[in-house]
Amino acid sequence: QLLESGGGLVRPGGSLRLSCAASGFMFGSYAISWFRQAPGKGLEWVSTISGTGGSTYYADSVKGRFTISRDNSKNTLYLRLNSLRAGDTATYYCAKGRLRTQVVPLDVWGQGTTVTVSS
Amino acid sequence: QSVLTQPPSASGTPGQWVTISCSGSHSNIGLNTVSWYQQFPGTAPKLLIYSSNQRPSGVPVRFSGSQSDTSASLAISGLQSEDEADYYCATWDDSLSVPVLGGGTKLTVL
Repeated sequence: QLLESGGGLVRPGGSLRLSCAASGFMFGSYAISWFRQAPGKGLEWVSTISGTGGSTYYADSVKGRFTISRDNSKNTLYLRLNSLRAGDTATYYCAKGRLRTQVVPLDVWGQGTTVTVSS
Repeated sequence: QSVLTQPPSASGTPGQWVTISCSGSHSNIGLNTVSWYQQFPGTAPKLLIYSSNQRPSGVPVRFSGSQSDTSASLAISGLQSEDEADYYCATWDDSLSVPVLGGGTKLTVL
């Protein structure tokens, strides 16, 4: 199970940290990804972190502004969102790779947390 | 602009057989298996098909997947009203070294 938190209303240029608490599986063995979905739009991949945290990947749209990290001792994934723009407004989902060696397919998804960037 | 191409919409009547296509390229679908996700409004996506044609436990047998060359398809046989949802395809892209998704298909049951 994955449970996101930390979403909210933030002004343009502001920052936010999202969390994704995991339970029911060996958290540190799996790559976890963040996806987002703008209102009325499709899913967009945002970022992925390997099980150890040693490798991270970002979509071009967030590179340099967002930072993914994890604390395997707390079974928690994070996404730091900086320099937020209106276009970052979306529901953010964390999702787990089905196999330890794969980012996709994603077999467990959180319920999502909503980020609204507005003045 | 999604890397994988899906039709924006599809429709069918109850009991009908419906397919949703997902088109990519050599570096993604050509080299990796496709997974499909079902999403109802206001809820998180759910894994429907993985490894092109495998169903997770609990997914009805009327859902099936196939893949050939640089394309994949999701088929729903015996369409039911509760199948009305958005469907997304996804896979890994070896050239981009990132997961890639389709833009999603809204399935309407008439």
